[in-house]
Amino acid sequence: DGGITQSPKYLFRKEGQNVTLSCEQNLNHDAMYWYRQDPGQGLRLIYYSQIVNDFQKGDIAEGYSVSREKKESFPLTVTSAQKNPTAFYLCASSPRGPPNTGELFFGEGSRLTVL
Amino acid sequence: AQTVTQSQPEMSVQEAETVTLSCTYDTSENNYYLFWYKQPPSRQMILVIRQEAYKQQNATENRFSVNFQKAAKSFSLKISDSQLGDTAMYFCLYGAGSYQLTFGKGTKLSVIP
Repeated sequence: DGGITQSPKYLFRKEGQNVTLSCEQNLNHDAMYWYRQDPGQGLRLIYYSQIVNDFQKGDIAEGYSVSREKKESFPLTVTSAQKNPTAFYLCASSPRGPPNTGELFFGEGSRLTVL
Repeated sequence: AQTVTQSQPEMSVQEAETVTLSCTYDTSENNYYLFWYKQPPSRQMILVIRQEAYKQQNATENRFSVNFQKAAKSFSLKISDSQLGDTAMYFCLYGAGSYQLTFGKGTKLSVIP
């Protein structure tokens, strides 16, 4: 089955540690995204990537980093510079060209808690 | 940047009744897409319905339908015959191409038995 896999589902981190959230898709989509979800805030874009070896900052990129070495993979690193990292993180993908409806396909999310 | 406004942070509806969730957006584009996503307690985001701006006919998917008013930049979701499984957060999403994607802040819908 085609889809998006995020891991781990739950992650605990001590202050000052970097952590990496994994996102893998087998939908052959060019575009991939990372969103952060906080209560009452909706979904806010952290980073997105349109193509391998290219990515762009979203609205709240500070304290985060990404890489896109393979089409299928778009890992997100939450660095110690992120002041309030406890949140729910969603990875998504969408096709780049026609039939490009802009529809997003989501993973199941990762819950990060800083202790 | 585009803005998407969902003016109802929380709503409730009796089981089997009808409820309408509102969404307005700001854009200067003529061609774009609008979506409603559902996020149940499992937190998996599920596409409910989509509307292409160039289509005048309102989209429908079983019990879900939209009222798309392009001139008013309004995109409301109507849920008929509400079921307990409809309890979820609902997000309105505006999209123009792959990369101009803007979410509203969501409406928490509770279906009451």
